[in-house]
Amino acid sequence: ILNVEQSPQSLHVQEGDSTNFTCSFPSSNFYALHWYRWETAKSPEALFVMTLNGDEKKKGRISATLNTKEGYSYLYIKGSQPEDSATYLCAFITTSGTYKYIFGTGTRLKVLA
Amino acid sequence: DAMVIQNPRYQVTQFGKPVTLSCSQTLNHNVMYWYQQKSSQAPKLLFHYYDKDFNNEADTPDNFQSRRPNTSFCFLDIRSPGLGDAAMYLCATSRDQRQSRYFGPGTRLTVT
Repeated sequence: ILNVEQSPQSLHVQEGDSTNFTCSFPSSNFYALHWYRWETAKSPEALFVMTLNGDEKKKGRISATLNTKEGYSYLYIKGSQPEDSATYLCAFITTSGTYKYIFGTGTRLKVLA
Repeated sequence: DAMVIQNPRYQVTQFGKPVTLSCSQTLNHNVMYWYQQKSSQAPKLLFHYYDKDFNNEADTPDNFQSRRPNTSFCFLDIRSPGLGDAAMYLCATSRDQRQSRYFGPGTRLTVT
C-alpha cells in the first residue's frame, strides 16, 4: 500500500503570517508530485507539477520544494491572505509497475482576517 | 473557457433509489476519472476511462457503474445508494494518466 501523508491536517493562521505544510511520499519509484488548491465550492486546481529532486516552483506568494530522496515536498505561503483559505492537496505519481496517481488527505488552511 | 462541468452540484436521493451523476468536458482529454471524496479523506479513484477503455479499481463496489458514450461525456451510476455512499463525487480529466487532473466542481450526494 502506497501512503501519501499530508501534515498538518488543518491549520489557522492570521492574515499576513507565512505558513508551510508537508506532503510525504514513498522515496522509491518516483515519477512526479502535483500540488492542487481546492477552494470551497470550486474545482480543485493544479498549482505545481514537480518532477526533479531539488525542484523549486513559485506562483505569486506560493512556492513549493521537492526532495525525492527523502520523500517530501513543502508548500510555502508567504504573507497569507484570506483568499488563500483552501484545502491543499498533493498527489504522488509512481512508476511502480503501471502508473499510480495517489492523493494525500490534504491540508485545510484557514486564513483569519 | 475549456472546462469540466458536473451536474447536478447537489443531489439528494433516497436509500436504494438509483441515481446518475453526469460530467462533461470541453478539453478533449483522453482520460476521464470519477473520484469519491469523504470528509477529511483523500479523493478515492473509483474508475477511469482511457478513450473507450474502462478501468475499474479493484475495491470499487459493484454498486457503482460508469458510462462514457463519447469523448465529452461520462456518467456515474449508483444502482442502490446506501448511507455510506454519501460523499462528494469529483469528475476529472487529463491527457494521460501521468498528467495533472482537471477537475469539475463536484456533486455532493446526500442519501436519506
